[in-house]
Amino acid sequence: AQRVTQPEKLLSVFKGAPVELKCNYSYSGSPELFWYVQYSRQRLQLLLRHISRESIKGFTADLNKGETSFHLKKPFAQEEDSAMYYCALGGGDKLIFGTGTRLQVFP
Amino acid sequence: EAGVTQFPSHSVIEKGQTVTLRCDPISGHDNLYWYRRVMGKEIKFLLHFVKESKQDESGMPNNRFLAERTGGTYSTLKVQPAELEDSGVYFCASSQVGSGRATDTQYFGPGTRLTVL
Repeated sequence: AQRVTQPEKLLSVFKGAPVELKCNYSYSGSPELFWYVQYSRQRLQLLLRHISRESIKGFTADLNKGETSFHLKKPFAQEEDSAMYYCALGGGDKLIFGTGTRLQVFP
Repeated sequence: EAGVTQFPSHSVIEKGQTVTLRCDPISGHDNLYWYRRVMGKEIKFLLHFVKESKQDESGMPNNRFLAERTGGTYSTLKVQPAELEDSGVYFCASSQVGSGRATDTQYFGPGTRLTVL
């Protein structure tokens, strides 16, 4: 079955601390993984995708096929990073989302 | 460039009533998707249009839900009759002409919050 698991509902850190939002997936075949973000009062938007291997707003994510993970990391969190983060798996034409992790960054 | 728009932003109805949600995709985007987030659960795929054709409607919960995209522009999602478990946030997304795969960047609308009492 195709599934995305985000074990943490809430992650709270202080500004400047490292952040790791966990994401594990279940998929037969070559997965396409994404991180979407929803800031307060804004719409859901793509943050990054594994095939791009890019860093957006200081965030990176590495696909680990052995551990079936796609954790999102940032070395130094900023207050403006506070948002809801969703890991998603590309299953054909559709996106399969995890339940999301709320990141709170305190000053 | 205007983004994906959805109307209404909120809808409160009573069980048994009918509600129609509308989505206007980004101009020129052939692919249109509907998703739903029920409280406390993940965002789930409902269906995918390519122009006016339903490409994949495997996520539609039951026959109380009817989606249309006449003319291949805007789309409507009608729930008739609405039940309590239909409450949630309904998202629409669109992507450009392409493979129609999830790798095509999907641009999301702000969502419609539906509350069924």
